[in-house]
Amino acid sequence: TQLLEQSPQFLSIQEGENLTVYCNSSSVFSSLQWYRQEPGEGPVLLVTVVTGGEVKKLKRLTFQFGDARKDSSLHITAAQPGDTGLYLCAGVRSNSGYALNFGKGTSLLVTP
Amino acid sequence: GAVVSQHPSRVICKSGTSVKIECRSLDFQATTMFWYRQFPKQSLMLMATSNEGSKATYEQGVEKDKFLINHASLTLSTLTVTSAHPEDSSFYICSARVGAKDGYTFGSGTRLTVV
Repeated sequence: TQLLEQSPQFLSIQEGENLTVYCNSSSVFSSLQWYRQEPGEGPVLLVTVVTGGEVKKLKRLTFQFGDARKDSSLHITAAQPGDTGLYLCAGVRSNSGYALNFGKGTSLLVTP
Repeated sequence: GAVVSQHPSRVICKSGTSVKIECRSLDFQATTMFWYRQFPKQSLMLMATSNEGSKATYEQGVEKDKFLINHASLTLSTLTVTSAHPEDSSFYICSARVGAKDGYTFGSGTRLTVV
């Protein structure tokens, strides 16, 4: 069961463009995390959002947690080729040993 | 920071053989480890939750007799893919929860190819 719906699944843009990735659920999460994964490697944590309505910035990346703690978004400003990768949102399943449940991921390609 | 070391990073095995993947927590004790499988261009799918000193909890659809998990110590969890078949070829990743505030660390993954 995919508790987290992530969109879009694939995104190909040119350098300098802006983009937003969405992560939605019908469930409330105590926190949501965003990861970036390079091919052949494990995911690397970008940010954890905890408070409803919270906004966090990481250089050109802006993360927002919905007021009801059911959804989150990742906005990238002026994308660069180095931003290319798989972006994953994840929430903790408190009823299953605290395993992370991942969205389907957004595969981003930024071309020069 | 907390580090999980996963080995091997790549393995090629013949159909019908078994492969063991190890994940070690290097500077902390991991009472729980999680095993994920990831197919190309797809997300991580939880296979099982491994608890030190007890039986693993498997997700629906994951064969516990095929994917043997052992978590005999607080620093080592292993996943053995038994009687591997080409459809088991995938990227396997382990993860451990670090602390109580939803902190997780991931292994670097194992690319399994069954020929």
